[in-house]
Amino acid sequence: NAGVTQTPKFQVLKTGQSMTLQCAQDMNHNSMYWYRQDPGMGLRLIYYSASEGTTDKGEVPNGYNVSRLNKREFSLRLESAAPSQTSVYFCASSEATQRPQHFGDGTRLSIL
Amino acid sequence: QKEVEQNSGPLSVPEGAIASLNCTYSDRGSQSFFWYRQYSGKSPELIMSIYSNGDKEDGRFTAQLNKASQYVSLLIRDSQPSDSATYLCAVRGDNYGQNFVFGPGTRLSVLP
Repeated sequence: NAGVTQTPKFQVLKTGQSMTLQCAQDMNHNSMYWYRQDPGMGLRLIYYSASEGTTDKGEVPNGYNVSRLNKREFSLRLESAAPSQTSVYFCASSEATQRPQHFGDGTRLSIL
Repeated sequence: QKEVEQNSGPLSVPEGAIASLNCTYSDRGSQSFFWYRQYSGKSPELIMSIYSNGDKEDGRFTAQLNKASQYVSLLIRDSQPSDSATYLCAVRGDNYGQNFVFGPGTRLSVLP
């Protein structure tokens, strides 16, 4: 039982490049989330999907887009990467928005 | 005022002692409260969830919630060096758009 799987685990981009972070969960959870974690800032919500077919902005959505591909998969896209987007990105899922969230191992992204 | 506040630490306790971690939150209508443990370079891992006033115990961990005073705490009894990690408090409430808001975390160091 893999839980929440994120790919890739590490990535280095140049400013202006685009990329998609992938997330898949095998727990049949309805809700999925994307966070970024920066030193001293804690976890900040970028986007979330309360259920399949819906997505909503979180605290820091600028510069990102998401797609809830199906119940299992939720991807995060950086269209034109900026150095300020250097961070660790975590995907999480939960049975419902009020239930505890379970996290993937993270993607460490550096933008030069 | 930040929505969820924690002392950043580090909090140092000797092995075998009780570690006390505190978290305060600003939204009086918050409904759900969670403690996560995060080892360096790893993803957050759920330790405890608490929804009503009082104490909730799980092994060496006890979560305490006081909604009137707007704080939630985590006690770790018989602390072990393996408990050394950053502990994140998460709060969910209507004023947060039904999402989790994470505190910045408290770094705990258990000294052998």
